Amino acid sequence: AQTVTQSQPEMSVQEAETVTLSCTYDTSENNYYLFWYKQPPSRQMILVIRQEAYKQQNATENRFSVNFQKAAKSFSLKISDSQLGDTAMYFCAFMKKETSGSRLTFGEGTQLTVNP
Amino acid sequence: DTAVSQTPKYLVTQMGNDKSIKCEQNLGHDTMYWYKQDSKKFLKIMFSYNNKELIINETVPNRFSPKSPDKAHLNLHINSLELGDSAVYFCASSQEFSGAYEQYFGPGTRLTVT
Repeated sequence: AQTVTQSQPEMSVQEAETVTLSCTYDTSENNYYLFWYKQPPSRQMILVIRQEAYKQQNATENRFSVNFQKAAKSFSLKISDSQLGDTAMYFCAFMKKETSGSRLTFGEGTQLTVNP
Repeated sequence: DTAVSQTPKYLVTQMGNDKSIKCEQNLGHDTMYWYKQDSKKFLKIMFSYNNKELIINETVPNRFSPKSPDKAHLNLHINSLELGDSAVYFCASSQEFSGAYEQYFGPGTRLTVT
């Protein structure tokens, strides 16, 4: 079974600064996907960024980028130029590619607070 | 243009009652899911349906019964509600066989059992 670990329950950052959230996972699979989801106080789960394991290039979406280290089974999220609206719970998630029913396995989450 | 919607958003009920949560997606996806988020915010898969067929059934009490009348709808019925069922329940959908794999979530239903 796959496991996902987020070792930082809480983090804070000043507005406009950069912050990195950590995620490690354990799997024996070679073909899988990794995601970061954001859950603001509104409760909505919002997809932030995704990474296919077979791609060596790190994914980037505007101010969000990942550092994917496949051998180390590490998948960290970097948020640049932090904004107050980035305050949320961030979840790292793993998905093994299945023929059908590809379930997400989530980490425990990191509560990020952006301070003005 | 809501993609994945759930009703109701809040549900307060007493122990022993039976309740249902409804989910609809207008993304044309073929796979839908139910996840449970507990009081510590941990998210876990419960069920998944692909084209109305149950394909994931995690270790969930049989008081929980999902039903998919068509591929755009997935409902969750809970019998004999218990205090421990209090949680946020999320519906999600994805398109499995086109090579896409992202799951899109509904707004969640906060269930409180008193």
